[in-house]
Amino acid sequence: GNSVTQMEGPVTLSEEAFLTINCTYTATGYPSLFWYVQYPGEGLQLLLKATKADDKGSNKGFEATYRKETTSFHLEKGSVQVSDSAVYFCALSDESGNQFYFGTGTSLTVIP
Amino acid sequence: NAGVTQTPKFQVLKTGQSMTLQCAQDMNHNSMYWYRQDPGMGLRLIYYSASEGTTDKGEVPNGYNVSRLNKREFSLRLESAAPSQTSVYFCASLKRTLLSYNEQFFGPGTRLTVL
Repeated sequence: GNSVTQMEGPVTLSEEAFLTINCTYTATGYPSLFWYVQYPGEGLQLLLKATKADDKGSNKGFEATYRKETTSFHLEKGSVQVSDSAVYFCALSDESGNQFYFGTGTSLTVIP
Repeated sequence: NAGVTQTPKFQVLKTGQSMTLQCAQDMNHNSMYWYRQDPGMGLRLIYYSASEGTTDKGEVPNGYNVSRLNKREFSLRLESAAPSQTSVYFCASLKRTLLSYNEQFFGPGTRLTVL
């Protein structure tokens, strides 16, 4: 079956620190991979995506590379800001693109 | 475009009470979803609707019913609320792209507490 395993949180970093949030997946076939971000009191928003092996998704300074050999999609940012404080969810969609599977979420707090 | 809207934002129920969570989207999407979000569990799919007139069970459908009223609206009903249904509920719709992926758009959520 399909599933996503995500690094446990919470994570607290100082501003300008390097961020990595680990994500691994189990899937049949060729899923698409996503990172979603949830700001306090809001719904999830798509942060970035990758649709095939070796694709790199990027947005707002965040990056993640679709690694089929290690079944991973780790989220990275070189220098975090206070405004990046949020909960981050790794997700995959199956080959049909109709079903989505989410990780448990990682809470990030960035302190000045 | 309002995107995906949900009502109410907050609700407190007593065990055994019933209620309906409303969801609407104005993006002309065919597919819509209901998830619940619990601490340490991520998002779990309750029901989804691939198109108007169709609904299917997700991972955790017990205790819920849904109605796809029309293309815009997808409601979630709790017939007899239980404390285990205390959660944050998210509605989402699916944008099909011409690329190799589809994108989900989420509403702001309904925070439900069952006493």
